[in-house]
Amino acid sequence: QLQLQESGPGLVKPSETLSLTCTVSGGSISSSYYWGWIRQPPGKGLEWIGSIYYSGSAYYNPSLKSRVTISVDSSKNHFSLKLSSVTAADTAVYSCAGFCSGGLCLDYWGQGALVTVSS
Amino acid sequence: SYELTQPSSVSVSPGQTARITCSGDVLAKKYGRWFQQKPGQAPVLVIYKDSERPSGIPERFSGSSSGTAVTLTISGAQVDDEADYYCYSAPDNNPVVFGGGTKLTVL
Repeated sequence: QLQLQESGPGLVKPSETLSLTCTVSGGSISSSYYWGWIRQPPGKGLEWIGSIYYSGSAYYNPSLKSRVTISVDSSKNHFSLKLSSVTAADTAVYSCAGFCSGGLCLDYWGQGALVTVSS
Repeated sequence: SYELTQPSSVSVSPGQTARITCSGDVLAKKYGRWFQQKPGQAPVLVIYKDSERPSGIPERFSGSSSGTAVTLTISGAQVDDEADYYCYSAPDNNPVVFGGGTKLTVL
């Protein structure tokens, strides 16, 4: 059973870069899963940010694509999110998840981490 | 782009059956999943592959699919089932699509 845990600063200043890491335990990141970041602003719905395969192939939400980079480090069994030029609108709970390729097995979710953008 | 639509709220009395339907074109081609989320807790997957229940999830949770919709059914809902429920689809090499979430009240 996979476990995912987000880590990173809970407070980021406007115009700076938000950085989060998701550590995967209980299994290899180089498996039949692909890995994603999702966020939920206070009082709003879920928004998919982007996903990445262990090969490094990534794809992003078009609305965020110009500011997002997702990377994977197989040696550390983790993947990371960078969101640049943040504003207050980027304040949200950020969650990482492992999605079963083909949908035939379980997905796994992290607890989520609140990131506040404020000076 | 794909969208998923589900009711914002459902209310039942304890012991009654709660049904939450999620609809969207992507569900005609790709599997639907459901997770339960309680305040401050990690999401818990309750249904995958439209109707499969993970081990450890009570049998009162079931899923079904028809055309462009999937339905989560909680038979004999309990107070502990009060939570937000989200449907989603995560097709390979495509955006993950979420429903807006349904707040289930059991009282």
